[in-house]
Amino acid sequence: NAGVTQTPKFQVLKTGQSMTLQCAQDMNHEYMSWYRQDPGMGLRLIHYSVGAGITDQGEVPNGYNVSRSTTEDFPLRLLSAAPSQTSVYFCASSPDRNEQYFGPGTRLTVT
Amino acid sequence: GENVEQHPSTLSVQEGDSAVIKCTYSDSASNYFPWYKQELGKRPQLIIDIRSNVGEKKDQRIAVTLNKTAKHFSLHITETQPEDSAVYFCAAATDSWGKFQFGAGTQVVVTP
Repeated sequence: NAGVTQTPKFQVLKTGQSMTLQCAQDMNHEYMSWYRQDPGMGLRLIHYSVGAGITDQGEVPNGYNVSRSTTEDFPLRLLSAAPSQTSVYFCASSPDRNEQYFGPGTRLTVT
Repeated sequence: GENVEQHPSTLSVQEGDSAVIKCTYSDSASNYFPWYKQELGKRPQLIIDIRSNVGEKKDQRIAVTLNKTAKHFSLHITETQPEDSAVYFCAAATDSWGKFQFGAGTQVVVTP
């Protein structure tokens, strides 16, 4: 099993550009989440999904969209990138709403 | 709103000594309390967790204690080793998947 994979590993965007961060898992987990990690602020939940076709907002959803058309994939879309979205983004999956398995992360810089 | 506070933000210990990190939470519905370890440039990984019906759990050199009345829980690392150096995050979760909240993290440095 590859576990949770994320692409790209690094990305630089200009303000106003849009892009999609990819996340995939091969463990057949129902629960998936997106977090952003900023220095001194821990991990903050952006969006989450409890199954294919079901998504909801977390703590910091503004400026991000998600969709979950399959159990395996949970992409995160930045609509119009802003410098405040410079962060490290982690995708995670879970079989039972408890232990989370994190992907390797995407380091995003918005200039 | 609901949040998880974690202290201290940095912790330096001599190799062989113990390290203790404390977290408090505000949501009384929280019933799952995991601890994650994150090495530099790596992903967070679960090291131990505890559920609300248990007061203490131990796994080799690490242990977690939970006081539901006071709404706080702690991570204890005994006989620390240099490879214990990392950032440790606590979290609190309810049955609602969207209520998974992390503390701000503790940078632990173990000096030989």
